[in-house]
Amino acid sequence: KAGVTQTPRYLIKTRGQQVTLSCSPISGHRSVSWYQQTPGQGLQFLFEYFSETQRNKGNFPGRFSGRQFSNSRSEMNVSTLELGDSALYLCASSFFLAGGSAYNEQFFGPGTRLTVL
Amino acid sequence: AQSVAQPEDQVNVAEGNPLTVKCTYSVSGNPYLFWYVQYPNRGLQFLLKYITGDNLVKGSYGFEAEFNKSQTSFHLKKPSALVSDSALYFCAVIRAGFQKLVFGTGTRLLVSP
Repeated sequence: KAGVTQTPRYLIKTRGQQVTLSCSPISGHRSVSWYQQTPGQGLQFLFEYFSETQRNKGNFPGRFSGRQFSNSRSEMNVSTLELGDSALYLCASSFFLAGGSAYNEQFFGPGTRLTVL
Repeated sequence: AQSVAQPEDQVNVAEGNPLTVKCTYSVSGNPYLFWYVQYPNRGLQFLLKYITGDNLVKGSYGFEAEFNKSQTSFHLKKPSALVSDSALYFCAVIRAGFQKLVFGTGTRLLVSP
């Protein structure tokens, strides 16, 4: 099976701009989660989507948003970029049964490295 | 709230020696624990998980982890370290019913030849 893919791998933006990151999960996985990784804050959960619905959300401002399509592919958007948004953004997918327990491991993509100048 | 702590920023070990990377957890209810490894410029790779059952969990690449409920620990171990094991290791906990991993701060493992 192909792994989780993320595009683009690298992005350079300037403050005030907006950016969209894309994630394609492993085939058959319907749950997609997004995480932000920075040297200062470590790995932090952004949000999780399942069947096109956001089910969980982390403590990030409203500038961070996402969506999921019917084929389980997901995008996240960051508007009005700030210097502090520079980070590695990781997408993870898992086989999560609706109504079941969240015991399945998440598989991560290689990440998108966002640099805000 | 769920949380995990990795008390060591870095662990140094010689190749061929056993290694241990420490993790302690704090959860309400049953703990669901994971270990991930991250190589430079790569995403996280799943190593192993503890959900229930045997306290010794075996995972990928020869790694195993010991769940200790009384000490609220989930230490990662390997009997014989390889130079290629050098990487950043993360312990994580998940709350049942939610797909939100809460990660520790990570431990850098350096295996010297």
